[in-house]
Amino acid sequence: AQRVTQPEKLLSVFKGAPVELKCNYSYSGSPELFWYVQYSRQRLQLLLRHISRESIKGFTADLNKGETSFHLKKPFAQEEDSAMYYCALNKGNNRLAFGKGNQVVVIP
Amino acid sequence: SAVISQKPSRDICQRGTSLTIQCQVDSQVTMMFWYRQQPGQSLTLIATANQGSEATYESGFVIDKFPISRPNLTFSTLTVSNMSPEDSSIYLCSVEDFIGGTGDGYTFGSGTRLTVV
Repeated sequence: AQRVTQPEKLLSVFKGAPVELKCNYSYSGSPELFWYVQYSRQRLQLLLRHISRESIKGFTADLNKGETSFHLKKPFAQEEDSAMYYCALNKGNNRLAFGKGNQVVVIP
Repeated sequence: SAVISQKPSRDICQRGTSLTIQCQVDSQVTMMFWYRQQPGQSLTLIATANQGSEATYESGFVIDKFPISRPNLTFSTLTVSNMSPEDSSIYLCSVEDFIGGTGDGYTFGSGTRLTVV
């Protein structure tokens, strides 16, 4: 079954500290993975996708097929990074399966 | 990227009634999707809205409960029928989209917050 696991519900980090959000997936084919972010009172928006291999707002995520992981990282957290983060998997025909999400709180 | 207008933004409904949610996109899109986000939970795909044919429902969702229309390439509706308090959720429309800087992805509407009393 196609599944996305985000183990930690709430993550609190100090400003300037590194942040890593874990995402593991279960998928039989070649996965297409995304990270979405939802800031307070805003709609869900795409942060990055693994194919683009870009750094967006200082965040990066590397697909590790051996570990079936797509962890999101940022070396120095900023207050504006406080948000809800969702890892998502295209489970076929452009249908997304989402993880349960991580609430990130950056402490000034 | 596409701009999605979703209406209503919120509603409080009596149990046993139905609510129709509208999703309007500012450009023609091939694929439109409807998701549900129950309180404290993640997003779950309800169905894919297909233009010119019946929607394709995910396991656990049925047409009688969540009828969907897709009359053209810019518009879709989701109806939540015979509502019960368990239907209280945020319902979101999504489209496949090209998002500058990151390539293909999926754009989401702002959601409809439904409370059933």
